Amino acid sequence: SQQGEEDPQALSIQEGENATMNCSYKTSINNLQWYRQNSGRGLVHLILIRSNEREKHSGRLRVTLDTSKKSSSLLITASRAADTASYFCATGGGTSGSRLTFGEGTQLTVNP
Amino acid sequence: DTAVSQTPKYLVTQMGNDKSIKCEQNLGHDTMYWYKQDSKKFLKIMFSYNNKELIINETVPNRFSPKSPDKAHLNLHINSLELGDSAVYFCASSQAFTGIGEAFFGQGTRLTVV
Repeated sequence: SQQGEEDPQALSIQEGENATMNCSYKTSINNLQWYRQNSGRGLVHLILIRSNEREKHSGRLRVTLDTSKKSSSLLITASRAADTASYFCATGGGTSGSRLTFGEGTQLTVNP
Repeated sequence: DTAVSQTPKYLVTQMGNDKSIKCEQNLGHDTMYWYKQDSKKFLKIMFSYNNKELIINETVPNRFSPKSPDKAHLNLHINSLELGDSAVYFCASSQAFTGIGEAFFGQGTRLTVV
């Protein structure tokens, strides 16, 4: 069954603006990860946040995790045209066991 | 230098044929996976192997058979291909089996069944 649901499904912004994507999940987890997928390419890992963490930063990325609400958000600050891609959240461990369960993804378009 | 490589990148074949997709990782990881991405970009796990042992086998038709000759390779063989098998198939690997760490993905194999 599908674990994660992301919103929005599509997001279009101008370069320099911030982009926020949300992810909700249903089961207990060990960690939550965010991945980026450029068109026609494989997924690239961006950031991992453990279930006992609330916030994590990596460069222009900021991830929050609220295990009580079973939700996470990914913020990309000062977006660039090169950030245009699909972004997926994935939950690992916990009830999901040894698998990564992916959300539906958010298609981000950053217009120059 | 490629961490996870899969071949071929594109595969066009007729219904009823049998085809294989190969995957190799040079990261020294113990765990490898096959994922299927449909036309709506939804990613669903198909199989997971840990040290050549099958760990996860989702509800996948018996026509799909993974084979892991060693922990660096996980191949996917598909018998009697159907139109609905058309999708992008991704191989991935990760170090951690329990707790799940970062996964590294191959570039994908776009399978088109005509």
